[in-house]
Amino acid sequence: DAGVIQSPRHEVTEMGQEVTLRCKLISGHNSLFWYRQTMMRGLELLIYFNNNVPIDDSGMPEDRFSAKMPNASFSTLKIQPSEPRDSAVYFCASSPTTTGGIAFFGQGTRLTVV
Amino acid sequence: AQTVTQSQPEMSVQEAETVTLSCTYDTSESDYYLFWYKQPPSRQMILVIRQEAYKQQNATENRFSVNFQKAAKSFSLKISDSQLGDAAMYFCAYIKETSGSRLTFGEGTQLTVNP
Repeated sequence: DAGVIQSPRHEVTEMGQEVTLRCKLISGHNSLFWYRQTMMRGLELLIYFNNNVPIDDSGMPEDRFSAKMPNASFSTLKIQPSEPRDSAVYFCASSPTTTGGIAFFGQGTRLTVV
Repeated sequence: AQTVTQSQPEMSVQEAETVTLSCTYDTSESDYYLFWYKQPPSRQMILVIRQEAYKQQNATENRFSVNFQKAAKSFSLKISDSQLGDAAMYFCAYIKETSGSRLTFGEGTQLTVNP
């Protein structure tokens, strides 16, 4: 398996534009986590899913952020409209129930909003 | 709510020496897992070691070992014979044993290895 795949690796966009980050889970994994990492706030959990169902979205900063799992292997995180303070590295991670919580991370998307 | 605290924002160690990174957590659960992840400059998050709360024996992975003190809710990482490649940000993390639980991370400790 190729691991958790995130795209794009880097994204530069202008303030006000819509941004969509994508994540492909490892086959067979049923939990999906989206994190945001910044120097100031560290690693923040934005939302997580279990079996395609959002379990906790309390970390989503504002209504401008939304996340979906249209199927068991794919997720998107959308920011609309984007703002400069959204600039960060966004990670997704997936885990199967059977490995005792081990989460496998994608390589992250570095988002820069100018 | 579960919280994970790493009180050392930065640590440094001489190459070949031993260093210990601290982590404490707060939970009312009895069954859970604890992890240490490493994030080198490449930003890839890499699992270093995992501890099951029901196991009294401390986990070890080559030069990496933990000191798990369940009653004290403490989970420190010891790196022996430190190597230059160990330089990275280290994160402590917690998850309940229940399927579909939240994976919570600490603030991270930046480890520098001096030659």
